[in-house]
Amino acid sequence: DIQMTQSPSSLSASVGDRVTITCRADQSISTHLNWYQQKPGKAPNLLIYGASSLQSGVPSRFSGTGSGTDFTLTISSLQPEDVATYYCQQSYSVITFGQGTRLEIK
Amino acid sequence: QVQLVQSGVEVKKPGASVRISCKASGYNFISYGVTWVRQAPGQGLEWMGGISPYNGNTNYAQKIQDRVTLTTDTSTNTAYMELRSLRPDDTAMYYCARRNSAYDNGYYNYMDVWGKGTTVTVSS
Repeated sequence: DIQMTQSPSSLSASVGDRVTITCRADQSISTHLNWYQQKPGKAPNLLIYGASSLQSGVPSRFSGTGSGTDFTLTISSLQPEDVATYYCQQSYSVITFGQGTRLEIK
Repeated sequence: QVQLVQSGVEVKKPGASVRISCKASGYNFISYGVTWVRQAPGQGLEWMGGISPYNGNTNYAQKIQDRVTLTTDTSTNTAYMELRSLRPDDTAMYYCARRNSAYDNGYYNYMDVWGKGTTVTVSS
């Protein structure tokens, strides 16, 4: 199975900051990479699919880039409601998720 | 609206089986796959498997493939996940999700609608 590694595992940032989360695959997955946001006690919510396509209804401050093995999720201006754990997931082969990145407000 | 409604809390003893339902509404059930994902307490997301309601084709995670069965009932737009020979480490929140696809020089699959989850506790 393809292993997905996210960094950092957790981070703390201030409201208005630009936040970047990285996801690395241990082999090339083209752009078959999705990002999800999971708030405490809730189901995951799709943010980005195909590495860079914004899911309908998701605020435009979220964006995704990357291809091959290296991907990033960026929040351009952090808002209080963005406190959550973020997961990357590859759909190139048997589905696997990253271990998650917990985002807190400083 | 498009939604997936899952069955309620389950408490089971080790060695028992559990069957969780996931009822879809607001979309053409046959046109989208259903994926199952679980999350142990305080842990990350783990893919369990998926099923196509159109033809019943399934694929399972190797780790649990000998203990899990996914099925659908297209007459009621419901997907089911059965897990057998339960162990304490099967204690988790179990989610169903709709598998959608986008085409852009190839098909890209993603999970765009999720159920709220079903808590399964396995304890003697």
